[in-house]
Amino acid sequence: QQQVKQSPQSLIVQKGGISIINCAYENTAFDYFPWYQQFPGKGPALLIAIRPDVSEKKEGRFTISFNKSAKQFSLHIMDSQPGDSATYFCAASRRRDDKIIFGKGTRLHILP
Amino acid sequence: EAQVTQNPRYLITVTGKKLTVTCSQNMNHEYMSWYRQDPGLGLRQIYYSMNVEVTDKGDVPEGYKVSRKEKRNFPLILESPSPNQTSLYFCATSPGGGPSSYNEQFFGPGTRLTVL
Repeated sequence: QQQVKQSPQSLIVQKGGISIINCAYENTAFDYFPWYQQFPGKGPALLIAIRPDVSEKKEGRFTISFNKSAKQFSLHIMDSQPGDSATYFCAASRRRDDKIIFGKGTRLHILP
Repeated sequence: EAQVTQNPRYLITVTGKKLTVTCSQNMNHEYMSWYRQDPGLGLRQIYYSMNVEVTDKGDVPEGYKVSRKEKRNFPLILESPSPNQTSLYFCATSPGGGPSSYNEQFFGPGTRLTVL
C-alpha cells in the first residue's frame, strides 16, 4: 500500500534518444507525483510534478504521463543529452497525512 | 542566496558515540524533513516537521531523534549510532504544508556518515 515501485534500476540511452522511466503505486490516496533529479555529490532537485487530475504534463524535453486507472506514471526525456545523466526518483505524496514515498531510483546514463 | 546547509558533510564515528547532524535553512520554510539514501533502497524518510515544536515519524525513525525548537533549524540526533546507520543523509525543506500540499522540496547537499 505504501510502496512506489520504480523501474528500471538503470538505463543506458544513446544521445538524442528517448529515456523512459516508469513508476507504479498502490494507494489511491496519493495525490501528488513529483520527479526528482540527482547528480553525483548533490542533493535531489525537483524536475517536474503532476497531479492526478491531468494525464500529461510537459516541461521542455521532460514529460510526465499519468494513468490513474492503472496507477502508473512515467517520465519521458526526449532528445536525451549527456547532461541528463543522473539518478531519477519518482515519488508520491498525499495530503491526508503529509507522507511522501520515494521510488528506489533509476540511474540514467546517456551515451555521447 | 536561498539554501539548505548541513554539517558536517562527512563524518566517521564509532558505534555508540552520540552525534548530531545539523540542518539549517534561510527560506523561512515551515516544513523540514530528514531522509537517508542507501544503494538500491532510494530515499527513505526518517522524520519530518510541519512547524516549530511539531515533529512526526517517517518510514524509518528507529534509532533517530529530532527536535524543532526554531523554524530554521532541524537537527538529526543519533544517540547510540550503529553500523546499520551508515548512510547518506539529506535534509529537505518545503514551504507551507510540505510536499503533500504540492510544494517542492529543497534538499541540502547531504551528509555522508560512516559508523564503524
